[in-house]
Amino acid sequence: DQQVKQNSPSLSVQEGRISILNCDYTNSMFDYFLWYKKYPAEGPTFLISISSIKDKNEDGRFTVFLNKSAKHLSLHIVPSQPGDSAVYFCAARGGATNKLIFGTGTLLAVQP
Amino acid sequence: DAGVIQSPRHEVTEMGQEVTLRCKPISGHNSLFWYRQTMMRGLELLIYFNNNVPIDDSGMPEDRFSAKMPNASFSTLKIQPSEPRDSAVYFCASSRDSSGNTIYFGEGSWLTVV
Repeated sequence: DQQVKQNSPSLSVQEGRISILNCDYTNSMFDYFLWYKKYPAEGPTFLISISSIKDKNEDGRFTVFLNKSAKHLSLHIVPSQPGDSAVYFCAARGGATNKLIFGTGTLLAVQP
Repeated sequence: DAGVIQSPRHEVTEMGQEVTLRCKPISGHNSLFWYRQTMMRGLELLIYFNNNVPIDDSGMPEDRFSAKMPNASFSTLKIQPSEPRDSAVYFCASSRDSSGNTIYFGEGSWLTVV
């Protein structure tokens, strides 16, 4: 039972355009959400997070939006750069335990 | 500062053999996590420890899997006997507290069981 879902396994975007990665969750007890980025042959690295008391968090080219009523969050990257090409994992925590639950990831390819 | 250190980076083993993966968390971190990455399920949490004590092992697939954390600087994940379906990348991660708000991953151990 996937509590965190990333329904797009891959996304291709032109350099300079906006990349939008989506994530849906089912557990209404989740109160903190994170995005991790993973390059091949490396471990995931933390990118940006958002608390459930907010609906937007911005860090440079990266913005995360949270829609609690829809149980949906998205990561916007603008402008996209070839170095952004990686797998992006959405994660959530909260509820009965504080463990981080990850989605299946979305492979982003930014074309020069 | 050294990050999370995992060994081996790559392991190829025959079905039925015992596999031991090792992890050294970041110094000062008191929570340690073992994750497995597969194409179908993404990053699955297998088990996590807080202050060397296993807190939640509900993600451990079956009795063939076991994990220990004998001290604050070392943990092992053991598979005995290994099966081809165990082939995956196993990540160890650590954080300063059990909330896991920001956890830091190692580079992973690539396991292939043939």
